[in-house]
Order: sequence, then structure tokens, then C-alpha cells
Amino acid sequence: GAVVSQHPSRVICKSGTSVKIECRSLDFQATTMFWYRQFPKQSLMLMATSNEGSKATYEQGVEKDKFLINHASLTLSTLTVTSAHPEDSSFYICSAREGTANTEAFFGQGTRLTVV
Amino acid sequence: AQSVTQLGSHVSVSEGALVLLRCNYSSSVPPYLFWYVQYPNQGLQLLLKYTSAATLVKGINGFEAEFKKSETSFHLTKPSAHMSDAAEYFCAVSESSAGNKLTFGGGTRVLVKP
Repeated sequence: GAVVSQHPSRVICKSGTSVKIECRSLDFQATTMFWYRQFPKQSLMLMATSNEGSKATYEQGVEKDKFLINHASLTLSTLTVTSAHPEDSSFYICSAREGTANTEAFFGQGTRLTVV
Repeated sequence: AQSVTQLGSHVSVSEGALVLLRCNYSSSVPPYLFWYVQYPNQGLQLLLKYTSAATLVKGINGFEAEFKKSETSFHLTKPSAHMSDAAEYFCAVSESSAGNKLTFGGGTRVLVKP
């Protein structure tokens, strides 16, 4: 089946630094990738949708200058949390799909970010 | 706008007992509903989905869910729990039958006791 790999699975960074999370489709070409985050004891929330070669579309309330998304190839999308603060500590997870909107999206295993 | 509520963040069941995970949704358009499972250190895996065909949906690993429009519910059940069912389960709603741009519930962690 389709495999999506996310790296790292856990990261701890200092407040004020930036951290990059990678989402890779291993056996298919991901034309679209989705980024979600889950704060403690809350639901997974969609942050943004990225299409290969285009700028990401951010959901309301998500700061695009803080959460930089790059989807420069059909197998890789990155999420960079810039100038991270403790309130950015969360579980970030990506999903990826090939083709049209009627194609199922597959999830990565998620990244636990802790900002200290 | 769409939203999902999962009743109970933790559920404990005995091996062999019925598993029942509750999910209620809110949607201004006909919903597509999904259940995902996440095992430790793994990604979300699709268990089953409702896409306006049969209201009783059968999924993998012996799970099934019933869509009840009058109750705005999509509860997940399994007749007999296995130890391997210990995981976190997420209910989600989407405007897309493929499950893109999902709105998730808070998740329910299932513990299976021997």
C-alpha cells in the first residue's frame, strides 16, 4: 500500500529556533499534501493544504509566515516552524494523496514537537 | 462548517468483550464519515468510511460502523476485542468522499485488558 514517511518522529527545540519536519511519499507521487496539528487533549486540526509546485493554502487562524510549507517535489513536503515558542508544542501529522480530490490520502506517523 | 465529537477519551475493555466507540458529527452538507486507527509510533490507518451508500459499513479488522442521520452518529463497534486492538481511534468528517481536508474528533484511546 501507499506509504508516507514523516521525519523526525520526535523533536525538542529551544524557544526562538526553527524546526523542519519532512513528509515523504515513498511509493507514489503526492500531488497534494495536508498538514494537521493536534494540541494536547484536542482534535487534529487541518493547518494547510499544499499542491506540488504551488503556494500552500492555509486554514483560518494559521500563520503562514510562522508555519512555512514547501512542496517543491512530488515526493516531499516540508513544514518549518519558525521562531518556535512553547505554545507551538504539538503533534504534527501530514497526509498525502496522488491525483485528484477523489483519491484517498495516506497519513504519516506524525511528529511530536516540544519547544522548551 | 463541520465538527466531530468523540465521547470518552479513554475506553477500557476486556479481551473478547464488545468494543463501542461513540462519534457524533455536525455538518451543514451531507457528510462523509471516517474512522481511523493509530497504533503506537505509526501513522493513521483508515478503518472504514461512510460515503452515502449502505448505512452499515464494514471495515478492516472486524470493525463496523453505522451511520444514523437522525442521531447524527457514526459509532464504531467490534463484537470481540483482541489485544491487538489497543490503539487510538479517530472519527472524522469530510466534504470529500476521499477524506481530504478532514475534521477530526479528539480521539479515543482503547485499552484491552486480558
